[in-house]
Amino acid sequence: KAGVTQTPRYLIKTRGQQVTLSCSPISGHRSVSWYQQTPGQGLQFLFEYFSETQRNKGNFPGRFSGRQFSNSRSEMNVSTLELGDSALYLCASTSDGIRTDTQYFGPGTRLTVL
Amino acid sequence: SQQGEEDPQALSIQEGENATMNCSYKTSINNLQWYRQNSGRGLVHLILIRSNEREKHSGRLRVTLDTSKKSSSLLITASRAADTASYFCATDGGGADGLTFGKGTHLIIQP
Repeated sequence: KAGVTQTPRYLIKTRGQQVTLSCSPISGHRSVSWYQQTPGQGLQFLFEYFSETQRNKGNFPGRFSGRQFSNSRSEMNVSTLELGDSALYLCASTSDGIRTDTQYFGPGTRLTVL
Repeated sequence: SQQGEEDPQALSIQEGENATMNCSYKTSINNLQWYRQNSGRGLVHLILIRSNEREKHSGRLRVTLDTSKKSSSLLITASRAADTASYFCATDGGGADGLTFGKGTHLIIQP
């Protein structure tokens, strides 16, 4: 099976812009989760989508949003970018959900905000 | 907020030695997972231990969980250069905020 893929791998944006990141889960997996990783805050959970519905949500402002399509592919959007949004954004997929299942992570999208 | 806290923050040992990393957490959990990350890449799931389990093995990995002390340890035996990575514990507290990761232990295996 192909692994989790994320596009793009690298992205440079400027403050105030918005960005959309994409994640394709492992075939057959219905849950996709997103994480932000920064040197200062470490790995932080953003949200989990399961069968097109947001099931869990971390403590992030409303500028961070996501959605999941019927084929389980997921997108994450960050509006009005701030310098502090520079991070590695990781997505992970599981068959049934993050609570009981092994998560398979993609390689991440490295976002730099100038 | 970070729930899991790994200790030590960094660890350097000789190839062939055993490496032990610890994770402490604050609230009750359903399960605890350990992950490895190489140089800012994606994470690789190593092992999941449920709250009613005390010990679990997977190859050269041994994980223990002590829910009374709210702590877990990851032991890597007979370390190899390829084990050089950052190791994270992640806890599932059962709430709607998903998994909570610690800041990780950076392990360096000296050849």
